[in-house]
Amino acid sequence: AQKVTQAQTEISVVEKEDVTLDCVYETRDTTYYLFWYKQPPSGELVFLIRRNSFDEQNEISGRYSWNFQKSTSSFNFTITASQVVDSAVYFCALSEARTGGGNKLTFGTGTQLKVEL
Amino acid sequence: DGGITQSPKYLFRKEGQNVTLSCEQNLNHDAMYWYRQDPGQGLRLIYYSQIVNDFQKGDIAEGYSVSREKKESFPLTVTSAQKNPTAFYLCASSIRTSGGDEQFFGPGTRLTVL
Repeated sequence: AQKVTQAQTEISVVEKEDVTLDCVYETRDTTYYLFWYKQPPSGELVFLIRRNSFDEQNEISGRYSWNFQKSTSSFNFTITASQVVDSAVYFCALSEARTGGGNKLTFGTGTQLKVEL
Repeated sequence: DGGITQSPKYLFRKEGQNVTLSCEQNLNHDAMYWYRQDPGQGLRLIYYSQIVNDFQKGDIAEGYSVSREKKESFPLTVTSAQKNPTAFYLCASSIRTSGGDEQFFGPGTRLTVL
């Protein structure tokens, strides 16, 4: 069975600080996909990134960066120079890579990030 | 603009009543999903559909029912058999049914059963 663990329930930082959100996953599949979603107070989930299990390159997108390490089954998310608008709940998710078998996502419990002035 | 709409945003029902949550997408996506979110928890899959007139149970399907008569629509009925229906319900869609495609989410419906 697949499992995603986000051990950090809530993180508070002061604006301009860097912050890393941890994500550890479990799966027996050799091919799988990892995702990060952002849920602002409005409630709608916003897609941030997808990474497949064969691509361990780190990725940077503006102030966001992701560190994927298969050796530790982790897919951590770092926000550099955080801003108040980054305040949200962030979810890490895992899906299998089955053709025609559906695209079921297994979500972690989320990390509430609060960025204060 | 393409996207997913859910209505209403807030819904109140008396205990024992069935209630249907609407989900419509104009993204021409094949797959659609329903998730439930409880405070402090992640999203849990209720039902998903890969094609019209076909759907599968997710992890917590008991007390729920769905239909997929049109590609654009995937309504969810919360029946009186659902023991704890008060929650935030999110509908999503993805372009294909194979793993790896990102899911696009609607704004959600917050259901409160009194």
